[in-house]
Amino acid sequence: GAGVSQTPSNKVTEKGKYVELRCDPISGHTALYWYRQSLGQGPEFLIYFQGTGAADDSGLPNDRFFAVRPEGSVSTLKIQRTERGDSAVYLCASSLEGANTEAFFGQGTRLTVV
Amino acid sequence: DQQVKQNSPSLSVQEGRISILNCDYTNSMFDYFLWYKKYPAEGPTFLISISSIKDKNEDGRFTVFLNKSAKHLSLHIVPSQPGDSAVYFCAASPNAGNMLTFGGGTRLMVKP
Repeated sequence: GAGVSQTPSNKVTEKGKYVELRCDPISGHTALYWYRQSLGQGPEFLIYFQGTGAADDSGLPNDRFFAVRPEGSVSTLKIQRTERGDSAVYLCASSLEGANTEAFFGQGTRLTVV
Repeated sequence: DQQVKQNSPSLSVQEGRISILNCDYTNSMFDYFLWYKKYPAEGPTFLISISSIKDKNEDGRFTVFLNKSAKHLSLHIVPSQPGDSAVYFCAASPNAGNMLTFGGGTRLMVKP
């Protein structure tokens, strides 16, 4: 597809379970970002990839959160031992590298931990 | 602490009138500011941006004003249209990149 694709659109999981959220960026975009949007708030930065490497993971809230991008394209956000407070919409964005480049967002994955 | 704040959670305007959305920031390292528009069940869509070397940027019906001394920016939409009804997010970054700090959003409702 032409845009950023995130799967699944919705995910309901039980507290304590492990989840994986997938992001397919726009082809050719080397920069990839994960954000988390809690209800009634703006998106919060989680992690930024330049190619295959995490250039900045300062937004990850704790060590239960981990993200990979092994081939520099698709990225997976992994959450271990999920907690109810992890419930949010997880947004992925991609862009070309460099300054003043537009970031394109996917539609997000709504994660609900019950 | 919130480094980017949008103090009005909602705004209602009549079609054809001007919509003014406001945003304040605290981090002096921010030098690039953006506005995103978000419809329900969709990701944010880039609307307009401004670099700290400018105080105004215009794109069609949308104009962003930046007041660096006051650490304040605003988005003007004129004339407002019902299709503009959405949540608007202000965002900022320190290096013109896309590691963005977002405000909490303002829900704009344009009444026909």
